Amino acid sequence: RKEVEQDPGPFNVPEGATVAFNCTYSNSASQSFFWYRQDCRKEPKLLMSVYSSGNEDGRFTAQLNRASQYISLLIRDSKLSDSATYLCVVRGGSYIPTFGRGTSLIVHP
Amino acid sequence: GAVVSQHPSWVICKSGTSVKIECRSLDFQATTMFWYRQFPKQSLMLMATSNEGSKATYEQGVEKDKFLINHASLTLSTLTVTSAHPEDSSFYICSARDPTGGSQPQHFGDGTRLSIL
Repeated sequence: RKEVEQDPGPFNVPEGATVAFNCTYSNSASQSFFWYRQDCRKEPKLLMSVYSSGNEDGRFTAQLNRASQYISLLIRDSKLSDSATYLCVVRGGSYIPTFGRGTSLIVHP
Repeated sequence: GAVVSQHPSWVICKSGTSVKIECRSLDFQATTMFWYRQFPKQSLMLMATSNEGSKATYEQGVEKDKFLINHASLTLSTLTVTSAHPEDSSFYICSARDPTGGSQPQHFGDGTRLSIL
């Protein structure tokens, strides 16, 4: 089993749609969780951290379920500019993050 | 602004050439930097952890003699792809962790797109 697993997609949604991504991780000792966004041929950029109580940043909501070892990202009112690959990132105590392969999102008019 | 600078951003070379990629932390001292490789539609794969003043730690399956890493100062790590071949063509990204704080786990360079003909 891979350490961090994501559905690669692509998720193809119309503008204004709500879309959710899930990510599962295998190491129960993982301590920190993040969602990164990566545009084509660019470096990953931090979208948001994921906190145990769940957190929201504008149209983006992240949730963590430690018992089931999964993380989710919800995007509301999708914009064309949201089209990208979303990477789930998990980190243990060593500060070395483990990346999922990413979920591709395509938002169309 | 960028806190990690990576250079060059794009390299096209003939097979057999050695290519050096630089990664610099601009606003902080990074005792540890990370080198990743990403093939198309694949996840970022950690190649090695670069430690200032000591040998790099390589991930399983990554050839030490093929990918030479030097971390001679607190702000610079270099990755040299020796005798590169077409199968080494990939997107190479470095990252560094700012030990002074912040929740972001890594600051990434812009990446280097390596194409070997």
